[in-house]
Amino acid sequence: DTAVSQTPKYLVTQMGNDKSIKCEQNLGHDTMYWYKQDSKKFLKIMFSYNNKELIINETVPNRFSPKSPDKAHLNLHINSLELGDSAVYFCASSQGLQASSYEQYFGPGTRLTVT
Amino acid sequence: KQEVTQIPAALSVPEGENLVLNCSFTDSAIYNLQWFRQDPGKGLTSLLLIQSSQREQTSGRLNASLDKSSGRSTLYIAASQPGDSATYLCAVDMDTGRRALTFGSGTRLQVQP
Repeated sequence: DTAVSQTPKYLVTQMGNDKSIKCEQNLGHDTMYWYKQDSKKFLKIMFSYNNKELIINETVPNRFSPKSPDKAHLNLHINSLELGDSAVYFCASSQGLQASSYEQYFGPGTRLTVT
Repeated sequence: KQEVTQIPAALSVPEGENLVLNCSFTDSAIYNLQWFRQDPGKGLTSLLLIQSSQREQTSGRLNASLDKSSGRSTLYIAASQPGDSATYLCAVDMDTGRRALTFGSGTRLQVQP
């Protein structure tokens, strides 16, 4: 009964390829996020969606395209992968924008290695 | 632009010691502050969330305080155990409705048995 799950856990691919990371939450939350943790372990917001609507796009290259088929899922598609995309990508979720608590719950992360 | 700083970057203590981790932020217009724990190769586990109107929150051996006006939060861990060894991250949610966390770089804690 994992709250926020991500697949795959590890992803190794070559430069120029296109890949997707999937995220699902079973908490009934309305808001979902993608964060990137770089090699120095620094976490930074990339995107957030509320009820399938894009709320935040934090100056991420156009090669990154989030997709939310429903409010329980937020997938991340990356085109033309570059070496600098190597990082750990975390999905998170929280209650909706009008909720009383915005505690964020994180998935286990997807370690992406671009060679 | 909000900046979050955590001091120290690393800390090693003997088992049983009480310790304090520090977090400071430059913009006091926060909505809440959240403390997380991250084990190596793992995701983030939420420890405590303090709303901007609160002064502290407690969970077991953990106590987090918030001084919003001075831009500071502390995480107090009582009677530390080897199982507490992890990286502790502080994150703030700005009072702008964006609902995106700004993270500090973390404090890596090692509790020696």
